[in-house]
Order: sequence, then structure tokens, then C-alpha cells
Amino acid sequence: DVKVTQSSRYLVKRTGEKVFLECVQDMDHENMFWYRQDPGLGLRLIYFSYDVKMKEKGDIPEGYSVSREKKERFSLILESASTNQTSMYLCASSLTRDRVFGSGTRLTVV
Amino acid sequence: AQSVTQPDIHITVSEGASLELRCNYSYGATPYLFWYVQSPGQGLQLLLKYFSGDTLVQGIKGFEAEFKRSQSSFNLRKPSVHWSDAAEYFCAVGAIDSNYQLIWGAGTKLIIKP
Repeated sequence: DVKVTQSSRYLVKRTGEKVFLECVQDMDHENMFWYRQDPGLGLRLIYFSYDVKMKEKGDIPEGYSVSREKKERFSLILESASTNQTSMYLCASSLTRDRVFGSGTRLTVV
Repeated sequence: AQSVTQPDIHITVSEGASLELRCNYSYGATPYLFWYVQSPGQGLQLLLKYFSGDTLVQGIKGFEAEFKRSQSSFNLRKPSVHWSDAAEYFCAVGAIDSNYQLIWGAGTKLIIKP
């Protein structure tokens, strides 16, 4: 079964910390995505990557960066976590338009 | 402006009853349309998609959706819901010429009454 794996289900971090969210896919997909999910707002795209070392900003990139050094791994970095970044973070990958999602990381910044 | 509207934030349905979840979109180009489901604490799973052809699309778990271009709608239906269908459902619209852009609705939470 194809999978997108997010390394943590729950994280609690302090304000100002640098936070790494990791995502690995085993489907050899070219495209990978990081979304943020908040109640009533649906999914908002933070960053996506269409190839190794390539990245594009999504709709809400401020306060975030990404890294894709290997095809299967896409990391989301919160440079200095803030309380307004408390949210559910979803990673996804795709070959064409269908997204395959991970189970999500619920991040709380205190 | 491009947008996807799911007018119902919550819907409550009795087990065994029929279901229709609404999705309306505003999109300039020919759209690709998706329905995803998210069970509590989980990621999203693709239920079905429409790219072209027959406007009535069958998906997994007994769901279907109908694309109506004249109404800019892509409503999701199921003839008889089961308690396991309780989840949040998201409609999304993508561009025919892009693998990257998806516009998401805010979601509809389905509650099943026993």
C-alpha cells in the first residue's frame, strides 16, 4: 500500500524554537506538498516541490521554509515558532493531480 | 476569483438515510474536481474525481458525485449512510493545466445519528 509518512503525530514546541516536520513518501512521486489545516479554512498550501531541491511558495509561506534533498523526503521548517502556527500540518505527494496524504502532525506552540 | 464553497459546515443524517453534500465552485478554466474524506485524526483520502467524460462519477465506499457545469456544482451523494461515514468531507478544484494548484472548500462535517 502506498504511503506518506509524517514522523510525528503530535508535537508541542515553545515559542521561538526552530521546528522540523518530516515527511517521507514511498511512491516515487515527483510532487510533494505541505498544507496547513485550520477549522473552517480548509487546507492552505504552504509550499510545494516538483523535484529534488526545487520548491515553490504556496498561499501562506511566511514563517516557513522547506527542504527537499532527496526525492522521497520533504521537510517543513518553522524558523522561529509562534503561537499562531499552532495547527494541523498535512504532507501530501502526487504524480499528477491526485494527492496522497499523510496522517498529519498536530503542532502546538506554547 | 477562484473559489470553492461548501455551504454546509455540519450535516446530521440518520444511519441508513441518503446523503448529499454540496459543492459549488467558481473557476475560470475547465476544472478538475475532487472529493476527499478525512476521518478523525487522520489525513485525507481521495473518494472520487472528475476530469472529463461521464458527469456521474463513482467513487470508493459507495459514494458518487455529479458534475453539473451549468450550476458549477459537484455534489457528493450516497444512497444509505453507515456510522463509519462520520467524517469531514472536502471538495477541491484543480486546473486542467496544472498538477500543483488545488483550491479547497472549507469542509463539511458529517454526523451520523444512530
